[in-house]
Amino acid sequence: EPEVTQTPSHQVTQMGQEVILRCVPISNHLYFYWYRQILGQKVEFLVSFYNNEISEKSEIFDDQFSVERPDGSNFTLKIRSTKLEDSAMYFCASKSYSSYNEQFFGPGTRLTVL
Amino acid sequence: AQKVTQAQTEISVVEKEDVTLDCVYETRDTTYYLFWYKQPPSGELVFLIRRNSFDEQNEISGRYSWNFQKSTSSFNFTITASQVVDSAVYFCALSEALGGYQKVTFGTGTKLQVIP
Repeated sequence: EPEVTQTPSHQVTQMGQEVILRCVPISNHLYFYWYRQILGQKVEFLVSFYNNEISEKSEIFDDQFSVERPDGSNFTLKIRSTKLEDSAMYFCASKSYSSYNEQFFGPGTRLTVL
Repeated sequence: AQKVTQAQTEISVVEKEDVTLDCVYETRDTTYYLFWYKQPPSGELVFLIRRNSFDEQNEISGRYSWNFQKSTSSFNFTITASQVVDSAVYFCALSEALGGYQKVTFGTGTKLQVIP
C-alpha cells in the first residue's frame, strides 16, 4: 500500500541553523501539507501546497518557513533560522483529488532545537 | 472558522471496560468531513475513520464504534472491551469538503490509558 514517507525521523539542530525536512508524498497525489505538533499539544496546520504554489498558510508559517517541491517527487519544509520553539513533530500529508478529503499522513520528523 | 473540542484531556479505564471519547465541532460549512486519528506513543498518526456530513449513520468496526449526531455537532468514539494496546492519544478532526486543498483542524486530543 502506498504511503507518505518522511526523512529524517529525528533531527537535532542548534538554534539559528537552517533545517530542511523532507517528505515523499504518495505518487499520484496533488495536494500537499505540513502540520506541526509541539510535544503534548494538538496537531496544527502550517501550510497547504497545490500546483506548485502555496494555497493556504497559517499564522505559524511566517517568513522563516518555506516549502518547495523541487523535483516532482519530494516536498520539503525549510526553516531558515531555527528557534527553540520550533522543536516539535512535523507531519507531512498528501491527498489525491478524489480521496474525499482523506489526507494521508507521514510518520513525522521530530525536530529538536538546542 | 473551524473548531474541534475534546473536553476530556485524559481518561483511565481498566481493561475490558467500555470507554467513550467525546468530540464536539464547529463549522459554518454545510459540507464537511470528520475524522478520528490514533497517536500511539511512537508518535505517528493512525487514521481510524472518516465521516462526511451527509452520512449520519453510526459505524461499527470491530471494537470501535462512532456516533455522529449533526443536531448536537458531536462525533463520539466508543471503544468496547478496551485493551492495553488501545492506550494512545486520540484526536478528532474536521475538514471542509468543498474544493481540493482544505486543511484538517484537530482537537486537542484525549489521552486514553487502559490499565491491565
